[in-house]
Amino acid sequence: DARVTQTPRHKVTEMGQEVTMRCQPILGHNTVFWYRQTMMQGLELLAYFRNRAPLDDSGMPKDRFSAEMPDATLATLKIQPSEPRDSAVYFCASGFSQTSTDTQYFGPGTRLTVL
Amino acid sequence: AQSVAQPEDQVNVAEGNPLTVKCTYSVSGNPYLFWYVQYPNRGLQFLLKYITGDNLVKGSYGFEAEFNKSQTSFHLKKPSALVSDSALYFCAVRVRDQAGTALIFGKGTTLSVSS
Repeated sequence: DARVTQTPRHKVTEMGQEVTMRCQPILGHNTVFWYRQTMMQGLELLAYFRNRAPLDDSGMPKDRFSAEMPDATLATLKIQPSEPRDSAVYFCASGFSQTSTDTQYFGPGTRLTVL
Repeated sequence: AQSVAQPEDQVNVAEGNPLTVKCTYSVSGNPYLFWYVQYPNRGLQFLLKYITGDNLVKGSYGFEAEFNKSQTSFHLKKPSALVSDSALYFCAVRVRDQAGTALIFGKGTTLSVSS
C-alpha cells in the first residue's frame, strides 16, 4: 500500500530556530506539493514541483521559506528563522502528472508549533 | 480567478439519514473536480473525482457526487450517513489541460453525524 510519508510528525521549536520538514513521495510519482493548513486560512498551497523542478512557489514567504527536491524520493521544506505565525500543519502530497486527471495523495502531515 | 466555495462550515445529520455537503466552483475552463476527507490528526484522503462523462460519480465509502455544469456545483452525497463519516470534507478543482498543476481547495465543511 504505497503512501506519502512525512517526518517529523510533530515539531515544537522556539522562535528563530530552523525547521526542516521532509517528505517521501509515492514511488513513481513526479509531482510533489506542499500545503499548509491553519484554522484561519484553511489549506494553502506553498509550492509544488514537477519532475523535481519547482513550478510554483508563489504561496511561500520567500524570505524565510525554501523548498527543494534533492532527488526523486525526497522533498524538503525549510523555515529559517521560524516565527510563531508559522505554527500550522504542513502537508506534502504527490501525484503522477500524465494528464490533468491525476489525483494527489496526501501524507499525514507535520504539526509544527513555534513558541 | 479560479475558486471553490463550500457554503456551509458545518453540516449536522442523524445517522441513517441522507447527507449532502455542498460545493460550487468557478473556473475559466472545463473543470476536474475532487472530494477529499480528513479525519482528526490525519492527512487528506481522496474520495472521488469527476473527469468527464456521467455526471454522477461514485467513490469510496459509499459516497457519490453529482456534477451540475449549469449550476457549477459538485455536491457530495451519501444515502445513509454513518457516525464514522464524521470528518472534515474538502472540495477541490483543477482546470482541464493543466496537467500536474495544483488543486484549488475550498475551506472545508465539517460533517457531524449523530447516533
